[in-house]
Amino acid sequence: EVQLVETGGGLVQPGRSLKLSCVASGFTFNNYWMSWTRQAPGKGLEWVASITNSGGSTYYPDSVKGRFTISRDNAQNTLYLQMNSLRSEDTATYYCTRESRNYGGYPLYWYFDFWGPGTMVTVSS
Amino acid sequence: DIQMTQSPASLSASLGETVTIQCRASEDIYSGLAWYQQKPGKSPQLLIYGASSLQDGVPSRFSGSGSGTQYSLKISSMQTEDEGVYFCQQGLKYPWTFGGGTKLELK
Repeated sequence: EVQLVETGGGLVQPGRSLKLSCVASGFTFNNYWMSWTRQAPGKGLEWVASITNSGGSTYYPDSVKGRFTISRDNAQNTLYLQMNSLRSEDTATYYCTRESRNYGGYPLYWYFDFWGPGTMVTVSS
Repeated sequence: DIQMTQSPASLSASLGETVTIQCRASEDIYSGLAWYQQKPGKSPQLLIYGASSLQDGVPSRFSGSGSGTQYSLKISSMQTEDEGVYFCQQGLKYPWTFGGGTKLELK
């Protein structure tokens, strides 16, 4: 059974940093791209970051580029999100998500086939 | 960025009723569309990928269709456990983007 469990959320002041972790189990972690997706209270979903299976490439939307860093430790089956210069608009539940794609298809497209339960991050003074 | 627009924003349906939710992309996404269901207090769960492929374990009353810029999710017979919020997502081009969500309630 695929399991993703996030930790590290909490209350943090604007401008400070926080690091989230996600421990994966039930699948071969180093075969999959992984990502973080967030949801502000009562709002919709926003993709935050993705990383290739080897960790060699990362991708971000403009809203977090330069402030957030996604990384992984394949030996520990763990995904990370380092969040710096936090803002009130970063307040959200952060979900660890596994990415999958249409192998052999064209054009390639990606989707999130498993989600963790999420960890809440509140940015407030 | 590709904008995803869902409609309606909310709807209510009776038990056994057929429900359809629409999702429009701002450009052709070549069936690179997924649908998710989110129940209150829970994380989203994948229902459909590639516009029409049913994820393992998802009841067959759920189906997806569409192409180009227009897509839809159909629930053929509304059940109590189908209440929740439904989101579409395009996975063709970065940044991955989601629709604003459709809240489905039991009438």
